[in-house]
Amino acid sequence: EVQLVESGGGLVQPGGSLRLSCAASGITFSSYWMRWVRQAPGKGLEWVASIKEDGSEKYYVDSVKGRFTISRDNAEKSLYLQMNSLRAEDTAVYYCAGMSTTDRERDYWGQGTLVTVSS
Amino acid sequence: SYELTQPPSVSVSPGQTARITCSGDALPKKYAYWYQQRSGQAPILVIYEDSKRPSGIPERFSGSSSGTMATLTISGAQVEDEADYYCYSTDSSHNQRVFGGGTKLTVL
Repeated sequence: EVQLVESGGGLVQPGGSLRLSCAASGITFSSYWMRWVRQAPGKGLEWVASIKEDGSEKYYVDSVKGRFTISRDNAEKSLYLQMNSLRAEDTAVYYCAGMSTTDRERDYWGQGTLVTVSS
Repeated sequence: SYELTQPPSVSVSPGQTARITCSGDALPKKYAYWYQQRSGQAPILVIYEDSKRPSGIPERFSGSSSGTMATLTISGAQVEDEADYYCYSTDSSHNQRVFGGGTKLTVL
């Protein structure tokens, strides 16, 4: 059974930092492009960042460039999102998701972790 | 920044065909993916690479793409298909991924 389990969400003050983690099981993690997607309360999905299978390429939505860093540890089958200089508009449920490089049908999502930025 | 445009809502009666469109300048060169998100749940991939259906997705779901528009078609929509649907693709430079704004499908 495939599982992506996010952790690390919570309440943080504006300007603060948070590190999200995503633990994968049931997949060949090193063969998956991984990404973070967020959804603000009552809003649509927003792509945040993506990372190639080997970590050699990373891409970010403009609104988080310079503040967020995506990374992965293939040995630990884990994905991370370091979030600095957090703003109220970063408040959202953050989903970890992955798509197989060799079979695009294999696309999996976690259940999400809530990040609330508020004083 | 790159944008994908979807209608905010589509409404059909059970058994009718629902069509949800997604327009974007890079779609002639980039694949479209479609996700279904039911209330309170994580998204599920229903169409990948414009027109391919993952195993386990009902045959009534199909996808197509022509020019700058991709279309998700639900033939014979069921009440359980009520959900938000999002298209997803990449800009022409490969760097930016983007979701459309989402379409709320009502079946009643």
